[in-house]
Amino acid sequence: GQNIDQPTEMTATEGAIVQINCTYQTSGFNGLFWYQQHAGEAPTFLSYNVLDGLEEKGRFSSFLSRSKGYSYLLLKELQMKDSASYLCAVMDSNYQLIWGAGTKLIIKP
Amino acid sequence: GAVVSQHPSWVICKSGTSVKIECRSLDFQATTMFWYRQFPKQSLMLMATSNEGSKATYEQGVEKDKFLINHASLTLSTLTVTSAHPEDSSFYICSARTGLAGGISETQYFGPGTRLLVL
Repeated sequence: GQNIDQPTEMTATEGAIVQINCTYQTSGFNGLFWYQQHAGEAPTFLSYNVLDGLEEKGRFSSFLSRSKGYSYLLLKELQMKDSASYLCAVMDSNYQLIWGAGTKLIIKP
Repeated sequence: GAVVSQHPSWVICKSGTSVKIECRSLDFQATTMFWYRQFPKQSLMLMATSNEGSKATYEQGVEKDKFLINHASLTLSTLTVTSAHPEDSSFYICSARTGLAGGISETQYFGPGTRLLVL
């Protein structure tokens, strides 16, 4: 079966760095997406990785290792507004998105 | 770019009535649109996938006669919840993608969602 695993909840301190991990087992791979979802709102696109390595975009970076079926989202200089759920999603060989359950990130002052 | 709108953002209706939700891609043509449902503190649940001009593909357990999807054009898809009941109360979110060339074009962009409350 297809499976995406990510931690249910994480807590971090304002100004710090946090890494949210995602491991996956899917039938084929056509890219991995990270989305941010604030409570009561729809998800917004953060990043896309299809090749191994690190993609940096401001305070957010996303890493992919296809051989390990592993990705992480790195958030630097955390701000209170970063409190949200972070969703990992993998596109399989049929171009279908397989969604993780999301990681709720709590930022404390 | 890549803006998706949804209308209405909020709807309250009586049990037994039908509710139509519109999803529009404002600045791109969406070959594929998706409809999701999300209950409080739960993850996204894909309901159906629709391609312009063809019938929607429903996920297992989703009643196609209850949740009618029409993808009339490359910029508009509608979801009609027929004979709504209180258990249909949820957050309905659409997303759209171009999907023309693979890769990052497969990115789904989400509408702001529609909150449905059935009394």
